[in-house]
This record gives sequence, structure tokens and C-alpha cells, in this order.
Amino acid sequence: QKEVEQDPGPLSVPEGAIVSLNCTYSNSAFQYFMWYRQYSRKGPELLMYTYSSGNKEDGRFTAQVDKSSKYISLFIRDSQPSDSATYLCAMILYNQGGKLIFGQGTELSVKP
Amino acid sequence: GAVVSQHPSRVICKSGTSVKIECRSLDFQATTMFWYRQFPKQSLMLMATSNEGSKATYEQGVEKDKFLINHASLTLSTLTVTSAHPEDSSFYICSARASGGADTQYFGPGTRLTVL
Repeated sequence: QKEVEQDPGPLSVPEGAIVSLNCTYSNSAFQYFMWYRQYSRKGPELLMYTYSSGNKEDGRFTAQVDKSSKYISLFIRDSQPSDSATYLCAMILYNQGGKLIFGQGTELSVKP
Repeated sequence: GAVVSQHPSRVICKSGTSVKIECRSLDFQATTMFWYRQFPKQSLMLMATSNEGSKATYEQGVEKDKFLINHASLTLSTLTVTSAHPEDSSFYICSARASGGADTQYFGPGTRLTVL
């Protein structure tokens, strides 16, 4: 079992739809949770960064963390074709030097 | 803020040659930098963690003599792929973690290496 599980998709939605991306994890030692967006042939770009359970909102993006269920989500409202990319969840494991553990990434396509 | 650059963005080399990739944090100091490798349609695979002024820590299965990492300053880390072979062809991405700040990593744009 991988430490971080993420459905690779692909996920295709119409423009304007609400997108829900999810990851589950097995190690309760994870403390910080991130969502990165990666366009093709580019480096990942940090979208959201959360620590505690609950919701964090930034524009059209909402990150949700449920530590009791070991489940994190990223919601994208009013999705746009420019949101088409691969979304990677990532978590920091402090007892291993703070390195990031990534999910597999979900490929999202928003159709006009 | 939090910009990380990589150079070159693309490199093509002959088998047996060495290639150096630079990673720079442009507007912050990075005590720690990380080097990743990414194959098509796959997630990032951590190769090594580089701390300024000390030896890099390599992940299991990564050959330290083949992938030489130097982190000589708080804004620069280099990855040298020595005696490159076609199987080393990949997308190499670095990230930097700010000194004394939050624990987020900021990624460079990546370097596409093709070994002929």
C-alpha cells in the first residue's frame, strides 16, 4: 500500500463545473498538506498549503483536511479550461527530514 | 516571491558525457534543496536532499556517484549526471525550502534531459 493514494484519472469536466480532487494517506505522522498544480512539461506550482483539519479557501480553490479520516480534498469552483493540468497532493513527513511525499497526481481536463 | 529557476531547461547530450543542471532560489535563501526525477505520466520521485554546506542525502536506489549534488551556497544547488546513458533521459526538477520559514517547497521549472 502506498503512503499516499490519489486517483490518477483522467478526469474530464465541463467548464464551470465544481471539481473535487482527493487523496488518502496511511501515516498519521504527516503534518503538512499541500496541493500542487503541474502543467505539461513544467515544474509543480504550489496552490494550497494547510496544517490543521478543516477548510482553507483561496479564490476558487478550497483545500479540506480531515486528519481523523486521513483524507484531504481540493475543490475547484467555476472550473476553467486553464485549470486543465495534473494536480498533485503532497504531504510532509517530519520524521524523515521533512521530505515531501507525493500522490500519483490526477490529470484534469476542463472542456470549454 | 519564492521563485526557483533551473538551467538549462532542455539539454541533449551524447551517451558517456556529463551534464550539469543548476537550481537557484532567486528571491529567498534555501537551506535545503531537493532533486526529483519525473517520468511521463508519473509523479515526482525524490532523488536526494541537499543541505547547504554538507553532503547530500540520497534516496534508496539512487547512485550517489552517478548523480553528484553540490549545494555550495544558500541560493544554488547543482546536479551533475555523470557518464549519462539513454536510461537517464528524464525530466529533472529541483525544489527549494526557505530557511527559517514555512516548510513548503517551491519548485523550479524542470530540465528535460535527453541522452542519445
